[in-house]
Amino acid sequence: ILNVEQSPQSLHVQEGDSTNFTCSFPSSNFYALHWYRWETAKSPEALFVMTLNGDEKKKGRISATLNTKEGYSYLYIKGSQPEDSATYLCAFSSGSARQLTFGSGTQLTVLP
Amino acid sequence: DSGVTQTPKHLITATGQRVTLRCSPRSGDLSVYWYQQSLDQGLQFLIQYYNGEERAKGNILERFSAQQFPDLHSELNLSSLELGDSALYFCASSVDPLPSDEQYFGPGTRLTVT
Repeated sequence: ILNVEQSPQSLHVQEGDSTNFTCSFPSSNFYALHWYRWETAKSPEALFVMTLNGDEKKKGRISATLNTKEGYSYLYIKGSQPEDSATYLCAFSSGSARQLTFGSGTQLTVLP
Repeated sequence: DSGVTQTPKHLITATGQRVTLRCSPRSGDLSVYWYQQSLDQGLQFLIQYYNGEERAKGNILERFSAQQFPDLHSELNLSSLELGDSALYFCASSVDPLPSDEQYFGPGTRLTVT
């Protein structure tokens, strides 16, 4: 069983604050790491897919980094806005599996 | 809107019954995935099809089955339903079948078993 852990479980920040979350995954036999954003009453929306150690991806105010050797990825949000409020999921795939294993998510609330 | 459609949006049925959930992938996507989101669990992978063939299987119960048709739409059949099968069922699609391919999720079907 592959263990994908996300921390913190939930987070409240003020509008304008920058924040980051962590996704931890098994460091052996890495294949891909996905980040999704999931707003309430909507479906998960893909943010990033990362496959190489040291990968950094950016989309607007959101960026992510990947360390496959130590088994973690960070998601950063710069200058949080209320519309960033959502659950952020990471999902991991190993080389031997053809499926994604999802973490339980970090629920972000940005207070105006 | 991801371009993935799922029907129905909501389904209420009784224990022991059988239901079929339907998914149409984004135009051009050949791979379809089914996921289950229960109250006490995260997104759980059930099964993946690629161009009509089963490609990967996750924690899918024997009471559940799926298929992908020549027009690439997929159906998830759930039979002998139990209360614990109540969940949100998502379909996702991607162009290629690889785990590194971005997946696009549909709006989900909420199943309530009473």
